[in-house]
Amino acid sequence: GAGVSQSPSNKVTEKGKDVELRCDPISGHTALYWYRQSLGQGLEFLIYFQGNSAPDKSGLPSDRFSAERTGGSVSTLTIQRTQQEDSAVYLCASSLVVSGVQPQHFGDGTRLSIL
Amino acid sequence: DQQVKQNSPSLSVQEGRISILNCDYTNSMFDYFLWYKKYPAEGPTFLISISSIKDKNEDGRFTVFLNKSAKHLSLHIVPSQPGDSAVYFCAASGGGGSNYKLTFGKGTLLTVNP
Repeated sequence: GAGVSQSPSNKVTEKGKDVELRCDPISGHTALYWYRQSLGQGLEFLIYFQGNSAPDKSGLPSDRFSAERTGGSVSTLTIQRTQQEDSAVYLCASSLVVSGVQPQHFGDGTRLSIL
Repeated sequence: DQQVKQNSPSLSVQEGRISILNCDYTNSMFDYFLWYKKYPAEGPTFLISISSIKDKNEDGRFTVFLNKSAKHLSLHIVPSQPGDSAVYFCAASGGGGSNYKLTFGKGTLLTVNP
């Protein structure tokens, strides 16, 4: 597709369950980013990938969060043993390369609700 | 500590008038600044950016101004149209080897009234 694609668009799950969120970046984009937006907050950086490598995981809130990217394309963000504070919109973005002067292009996000 | 601040949660303007959205930052290492527009239930859409070597960048109805000494940037929309009604996020990156990481403000809801 032309833009960044994320699935599912909405996910409701019970506390304690694991969830997996998927991101399909713009074709040809080597850099991929995950952010989240909690209610009333700005976007918060989680992790980024250059190819299949994640040089900076410092934004991941806890060890329950992990992410991987395969084939330099699709990425999955996994949250284990979900907690209510994990409820947020999780946004994925991609850019042509990792660069300070390349805009990041965002998908529409996955709205995660933990009951 | 918020490094990018958008102090106005909302702004209302009349169609055809100028909209001015403001953003302040505290990290002097930031060297690239962006504005994104966001409609409900959609992801942020890139609007316009500016590098710290410039003080102005223009694209159609949108102009971004950067005042490095004041650590302040603004987005001007002229003339404003009802379709411009959205949440606008200011973002910044740069410095310290973390030029990939965007730091966002909390956004300003712009309403353009017909």
